[in-house]
Amino acid sequence: AQRVTQPEKLLSVFKGAPVELKCNYSYSGSPELFWYVQYSRQRLQLLLRHISRESIKGFTADLNKGETSFHLKKPFAQEEDSAMYYCALSGRGSNYKLTFGKGTLLTVNP
Amino acid sequence: KAGVTQTPRYLIKTRGQQVTLSCSPISGHRSVSWYQQTPGQGLQFLFEYFSETQRNKGNFPGRFSGRQFSNSRSEMNVSTLELGDSALYLCASSLLLAGNSGANVLTFGAGSRLTVL
Repeated sequence: AQRVTQPEKLLSVFKGAPVELKCNYSYSGSPELFWYVQYSRQRLQLLLRHISRESIKGFTADLNKGETSFHLKKPFAQEEDSAMYYCALSGRGSNYKLTFGKGTLLTVNP
Repeated sequence: KAGVTQTPRYLIKTRGQQVTLSCSPISGHRSVSWYQQTPGQGLQFLFEYFSETQRNKGNFPGRFSGRQFSNSRSEMNVSTLELGDSALYLCASSLLLAGNSGANVLTFGAGSRLTVL
């Protein structure tokens, strides 16, 4: 069974501070990991995926297979980063579904 | 280009009724997935369709069903509604080619918010 755990429901930081949103997963195989974000009154949208190894809006995430983690990081948080963040996993092969974590609500205070 | 369109956006039903939700994917996207979002359970996978075939189904009772048409538009149906079916139902489409067994990059619609009284 595949499972995604985001241990923090809420995370509050000040503008300019580093931020790390934690994500741990359970999957017997090689997963593909994603971060999705939902800004206030907007649709859920893809932020980044591990296979792209890219930085989006200053965010990066590294897949650590040993620790089964895919934490999302940004060195200097901005107020516009305030949103709900979801970590998601898809299994390789004929799976065709995403398993989402319950989400972390990030608030960046001025 | 137009995004994923879901209709209706809001609806209220009573217990025992049935409901049909519609989803029009992004033009050219052939994979359509449905998710249920609730405050308690978060986002839960319902099912995924590709070329009118259901390829995967989540752990929901048989009251939840769906289908996909030849133009990739999809509908989901919930029969004999229960109070616990109140949720935001999200549709997502993906440009997934036939035979590609990789992960989906999903584009989500705004959702249909169902309230069951």
